[in-house]
Amino acid sequence: SQQGEEDPQALSIQEGENATMNCSYKTSINNLQWYRQNSGRGLVHLILIRSNEREKHSGRLRVTLDTSKKSSSLLITASRAADTASYFCATEGNYQLIWGAGTKLIIKP
Amino acid sequence: DVKVTQSSRYLVKRTGEKVFLECVQDMDHENMFWYRQDPGLGLRLIYFSYDVKMKEKGDIPEGYSVSREKKERFSLILESASTNQTSMYLCASSRTDSNQPQHFGDGTRLSIL
Repeated sequence: SQQGEEDPQALSIQEGENATMNCSYKTSINNLQWYRQNSGRGLVHLILIRSNEREKHSGRLRVTLDTSKKSSSLLITASRAADTASYFCATEGNYQLIWGAGTKLIIKP
Repeated sequence: DVKVTQSSRYLVKRTGEKVFLECVQDMDHENMFWYRQDPGLGLRLIYFSYDVKMKEKGDIPEGYSVSREKKERFSLILESASTNQTSMYLCASSRTDSNQPQHFGDGTRLSIL
């Protein structure tokens, strides 16, 4: 079953700009995770935020979690061409991950 | 680094064939997963395993079976392939501890003709 829903479905920005993607979910969670998928490849884990955390940083990535609104956002600052990929959020509730359909991010040179 | 290896990147089979997709991980992870990925649908869980010889159905197990005879290897079997099983198949592994990410292979793009 699909729980996370990413917004927008697609995003195209200029290199150097910031990219923001949002994820909403429906039920209570232990954590929320963000993954990146380059075209035709597997998924790579980016960052995990626990349900008792509100914000987390990793390099150019910033993730926020609002459990009252059941939503999360992923911010990529100073985007680069190599950031072009699909980004997925996944929520963990009972040792399984439930996935959204993803946001396709295109960084224009 | 964790390495999850799927036996084939691309595979073409015919309707009715029995198809085996193999996945091996090298980090002694307890958990292993098989997903399929279709455009606009995200990842859907087919089967997962918490230990050797253990398996649990995911959201879409129909038409599939799995085998986990050794901890590092998790096989997905399409008993009688059908065209609606044409998809990208992704294998993942993780530790049992809470708040652990999943590590993915590069996927197998399977076409059933």
